[in-house]
Formats: sequence, C-alpha cells, structure tokens
Amino acid sequence: NSKVIQTPRYLVKGQGQKAKMRCIPEKGHPVVFWYQQNKNNEFKFLINFQNQEVLQQIDMTEKRFSAECPSNSPCSLEIQSSEAGDSALYLCASSLINQDTQYFGPGTRLLVL
Amino acid sequence: QQNVQQSPESLIVPEGARTSLNCTFSDSASQYFWWYRQHSGKAPKALMSIFSNGEKEEGRFTIHLNKASLHFSLHIRDSQPSDSALYLCAVKRTNTGKLTFGDGTVLTVKP
Repeated sequence: NSKVIQTPRYLVKGQGQKAKMRCIPEKGHPVVFWYQQNKNNEFKFLINFQNQEVLQQIDMTEKRFSAECPSNSPCSLEIQSSEAGDSALYLCASSLINQDTQYFGPGTRLLVL
Repeated sequence: QQNVQQSPESLIVPEGARTSLNCTFSDSASQYFWWYRQHSGKAPKALMSIFSNGEKEEGRFTIHLNKASLHFSLHIRDSQPSDSALYLCAVKRTNTGKLTFGDGTVLTVKP
C-alpha cells in the first residue's frame, strides 16, 4: 500500500484565492510528481522533481502554479490565483530513481467556487 | 506529443467472466507500460507493468504488449465484483519521466 501522504484532503477556495496543498513522498523516494485528475478522469501531468530540482513541467504550471520540494519538508503545490477550471483532484506520486513504479497518494480535492 | 487512448469507455460483465481492456499509444519511443486501478474515492494503484514485447501473467491478470502495433492490453480472468473500478493505462519514455494516462475504462462486475 502507498505511503504517500497528501494534505488537506479537501480544499474549497473562491476564484482568485491562493490554494496550497502538500505531499510527503514515501520514505526514500527522491522523485515526486504532481498530476491533475479532472471530473472526466483525465490526467494531466503538472511537474516533477528529483530531490529539490525540477525535472519537467508544463506551461500552465510555469504561469499560475508554483511547486517546490525542499529538503526535510513536505513538497507543495500552490495555485496563485484559483480559477473555476482548476477544480479537480490533485494527485502526488513518488518513486525511486531506478524503479519506475509511481506510488500515488489519495489526492487533494480542490473546489473553486 | 504522446496520445494514449483506451477502449472501451465502460464495461459491465458478470462475475466469473474474462474481461479485456485495450490501450493504444502514439509515441513509438515509449518504453514503460502500466495498468493502474482506481477504486472510487481512492488513489490510483499500480496493477501491472510490462517493458518488452510479449505477455506477462500475475494471478488472474495478464498484460500483453505489441510495440509495433502501438498497443497493449489487460486481461482479467474470473472477474470479481471487487475488480469493479476505473482502469487506467499509462505510458512513459524514461524511468523518471511523467506518465501519460488514457482516459480510463470503468469496469463493473455484477455478482
């Protein structure tokens, strides 16, 4: 069973507000991913890290989203100014470097009113 | 840009049936092929993976990959009601790379 911890489980924000969610990867996993799953079950990759460094991110993430994985602290994903279209389940996953299985947390469900 | 398509969108089968789920991908450089299962309200959980052409069996589940056809599939033998879930296929190019998911197949197994 996955030991990726995500908080909070639910988040309700008004349009224009900041929304921040956190992820503690499985112990010893240096690679962390953030995905967005919408109500149609479509997954969108947002960003991934190896230790504290960004490996890859999409344009949307560069513009309105910020993310970090500081050493000895939870990883975080923050939406600077929430929009209705950001309402989704935000999933964090972690993996080892040489093992390709990504283990997912339960997600943070964001509702932007 | 990787495009991953799943079929069918949904499937209802009786308990004990054999179920087949399909996935096609567009990037021939893809190296890692996964099936994930997500029960309602839960995290996606890795079910099986395959990295080279052929077949792999684990219990009631068999995964088949044909890279030349850009296609892989999941077969479930003796389907159980507890198998009812959203099944997601996923593909990636590199070990630490992002997964590109299909839109999922909702499987319902009727007792």
